[in-house]
Amino acid sequence: AQRVTQPEKLLSVFKGAPVELKCNYSYSGSPELFWYVQYSRQRLQLLLRHISRESIKGFTADLNKGETSFHLKKPFAQEEDSAMYYCALKGLGAGNMLTFGGGTRLMVKP
Amino acid sequence: GAVVSQHPSWVICKSGTSVKIECRSLDFQATTMFWYRQFPKQSLMLMATSNEGSKATYEQGVEKDKFLINHASLTLSTLTVTSAHPEDSSFYICSARDPGTGENTEAFFGQGTRLTVV
Repeated sequence: AQRVTQPEKLLSVFKGAPVELKCNYSYSGSPELFWYVQYSRQRLQLLLRHISRESIKGFTADLNKGETSFHLKKPFAQEEDSAMYYCALKGLGAGNMLTFGGGTRLMVKP
Repeated sequence: GAVVSQHPSWVICKSGTSVKIECRSLDFQATTMFWYRQFPKQSLMLMATSNEGSKATYEQGVEKDKFLINHASLTLSTLTVTSAHPEDSSFYICSARDPGTGENTEAFFGQGTRLTVV
């Protein structure tokens, strides 16, 4: 079975502070990990995926297989980063279905 | 990126009636679409996988007779909530992936449908 855990439901930081949204997963094979973001009144959209190893909007995430984690980080938070963030896992041969974590609401205060 | 459109965005219905939600891929063909349900302040839970031209695959605990899924074409999947009850009130979201762009591509999500059963 595959599972994604986001331990924090809410993360509140001040503008300019570093941000780390935690994500841990359990999966017996080699998963693909994603971070999705949902801004207020908008649809869910992809932020980044581990296979791309890219930085989007200043966010990065490194897959740590030893710790089974895929934490999302940004060195300096901006107010426009305030949103719901979902970590998601896609297992091989799983028909491309995604298993989502519970989500973390990031609030960046001025 | 590709666009997935859901209709309606919100619907209010009386208890006992049925409601149909449509999910369309606007600029690509989707052989597989996914239906999720999201309760307030909770994550998205996969309900079923909709397969074009064949029966949907339901997740454990999801009543297939309650949530009818039809994927009659490569661009349209429908979810019908039959004999809706207040506990069916939720946010329903569909997603699809553009298979023409390879295996490791993102899933695109519809804007969601908020169903309220009164």
